Amino acid sequence: DQQVKQNSPSLSVQEGRISILNCDYTNSMFDYFLWYKKYPAEGPTFLISISSIKDKNEDGRFTVFLNKSAKHLSLHIVPSQPGDSAVYFCAASELLGGGADGLTFGKGTHLIIQP
Amino acid sequence: GAVVSQHPSWVICKSGTSVKIECRSLDFQATTMFWYRQFPKQSLMLMATSNEGSKATYEQGVEKDKFLINHASLTLSTLTVTSAHPEDSSFYICSARDDINQPQHFGDGTRLSIL
Repeated sequence: DQQVKQNSPSLSVQEGRISILNCDYTNSMFDYFLWYKKYPAEGPTFLISISSIKDKNEDGRFTVFLNKSAKHLSLHIVPSQPGDSAVYFCAASELLGGGADGLTFGKGTHLIIQP
Repeated sequence: GAVVSQHPSWVICKSGTSVKIECRSLDFQATTMFWYRQFPKQSLMLMATSNEGSKATYEQGVEKDKFLINHASLTLSTLTVTSAHPEDSSFYICSARDDINQPQHFGDGTRLSIL
């Protein structure tokens, strides 16, 4: 049973608009949630994280929102740029660096920014 | 900073061959390294966790005699797929961290194809 779910395999957004990527989780033991970005033929690159004691974390154009009661988080990218086109993975763990079980990943969402 | 190098990036070999994949942290000491595997359209799944100088901890369902992991130094971990078969064909990717309070950094992965 998947503990981290990204239900949208792909998302297409126009350049300059807001991109919203969603992620749901089932394990209430998760304390940290991370977003990784992956370009083809490269490994995932850490983007932003949030701990369970917060409901929002912002870093430049990227903001992650966490709704613990709904076990839902989202990544907002505004404004979206062509270089944002990539696969975005949502991950969760008991520790920021990954607990004893490493990171639990979703299947990823392929974000396509259209000019 | 925080660069993880993985080699080789692509391997094609015959069934029955053993394949070694290297994972190096280039600019930090990785006390813990993780090995993940990703099948098409699936999420990255943790295979094992290795701490420098000790035996790796394998996830349920991962055969430790088939996937040999060595973490002999703070900058190098190796994964050897022994007597590989077509069903072992997958994308293998390592990650490393130097601190449980820091996110994991990923290599670029190894695409393994067994004929």
